[in-house]
Amino acid sequence: DGGITQSPKYLFRKEGQNVTLSCEQNLNHDAMYWYRQDPGQGLRLIYYSQIVNDFQKGDIAEGYSVSREKKESFPLTVTSAQKNPTAFYLCASKEGLFRSGELFFGEGSRLTVL
Amino acid sequence: KQEVTQIPAALSVPEGENLVLNCSFTDSAIYNLQWFRQDPGKGLTSLLLIQSSQREQTSGRLNASLDKSSGRSTLYIAASQPGDSATYLCAVLTGANSKLTFGKGITLSVRP
Repeated sequence: DGGITQSPKYLFRKEGQNVTLSCEQNLNHDAMYWYRQDPGQGLRLIYYSQIVNDFQKGDIAEGYSVSREKKESFPLTVTSAQKNPTAFYLCASKEGLFRSGELFFGEGSRLTVL
Repeated sequence: KQEVTQIPAALSVPEGENLVLNCSFTDSAIYNLQWFRQDPGKGLTSLLLIQSSQREQTSGRLNASLDKSSGRSTLYIAASQPGDSATYLCAVLTGANSKLTFGKGITLSVRP
């Protein structure tokens, strides 16, 4: 079945460590997104990419980095510079950035900093 | 700047009741509006997508309407069931940069 796979589902990190969250999609979508979800704050956009080898900062990009070397993959690295990284991270994709198609989400990754 | 509001933040209803969830947005120049469901600790599942040229979409017991001029959308759930308990979010696609703006969601509890 087509969909978005995020891994790991749960991740624990010590302060000062970088961690990378994986996002893979087999929907043949061009646009991919990373969101952060905190209780009471809704979804906030971290980074997005509309095509391979291109990505743009979202509203809260500080302390995060991404790459888009393959159409199917859009990994997110949470660096030690992110002041409050404990959150639920969601990856999403849709057909194209400027196409008004349906947005699909993965199951999420919960990061906890110890 | 587009703002999306969902009020109330939480709602509790008895099983079998028909209910309406509201979503309002400030900029009516949207491309589409999408309703999602989120179960605790899970990702978002798409329920319905309404294009700007459409007035409503239906899927099973769900019906979503869109009134761009008033900046409102409603999600109607018929004959609610305990399994409908979840958080429901709406999102609008707006602007030259195709930005998606989400509401904070309505947490629905359907009591048996």
